[in-house]
Amino acid sequence: GAVVSQHPSWVICKSGTSVKIECRSLDFQATTMFWYRQFPKQSLMLMATSNEGSKATYEQGVEKDKFLINHASLTLSTLTVTSAHPEDSSFYICSARTGQGQETQYFGPGTRLLVL
Amino acid sequence: KQEVTQIPAALSVPEGENLVLNCSFTDSAIYNLQWFRQDPGKGLTSLLLIQSSQREQTSGRLNASLDKSSGRSTLYIAASQPGDSATYLCAVLYGNNRLAFGKGNQVVVIP
Repeated sequence: GAVVSQHPSWVICKSGTSVKIECRSLDFQATTMFWYRQFPKQSLMLMATSNEGSKATYEQGVEKDKFLINHASLTLSTLTVTSAHPEDSSFYICSARTGQGQETQYFGPGTRLLVL
Repeated sequence: KQEVTQIPAALSVPEGENLVLNCSFTDSAIYNLQWFRQDPGKGLTSLLLIQSSQREQTSGRLNASLDKSSGRSTLYIAASQPGDSATYLCAVLYGNNRLAFGKGNQVVVIP
């Protein structure tokens, strides 16, 4: 149980285009989902926290107009990288948990984004 | 600031040796600490989770200890195998519900 999927697993796009990444909880309802970014040999950095049906809370330094997050249902959250640039190339990982407390976060397999 | 540090950043050991990976955190007000494994280009696999009230957790060849007062955790991997080669991440869940990660211990087990 507690499986989280991401789609696509990798994507290559041209600079200036937008890319959408999906995160799904397959066998549980995720009240809260998280989006992380990981650069090579760096730790995972939290980008934003989203609760179903409400606006996402972004971490300091993360542009909310560039990284659009939608958490429209209890099993799906999407991250859209708008007008992507090469510096947005990274490994994006989502996680999900059932409540808003200290429950375990279950992580997706990640999406590798390369912007040319 | 809630920082998580992992030492060493990278290490290589011959097959059969025991691995000792260290994690330190600056704020002792934690809810739990978790060790993950990450293979190159892949997501995270949870290995062990230690609640703040616990001192250690064990699973097979893996043992993780937690000393909250000193802000440290150690992951022991007994009798290492080439398949243990990966990056091991330490993550601390703080009271503000933030999960803070270290940069990882990159391990290579030499056959």
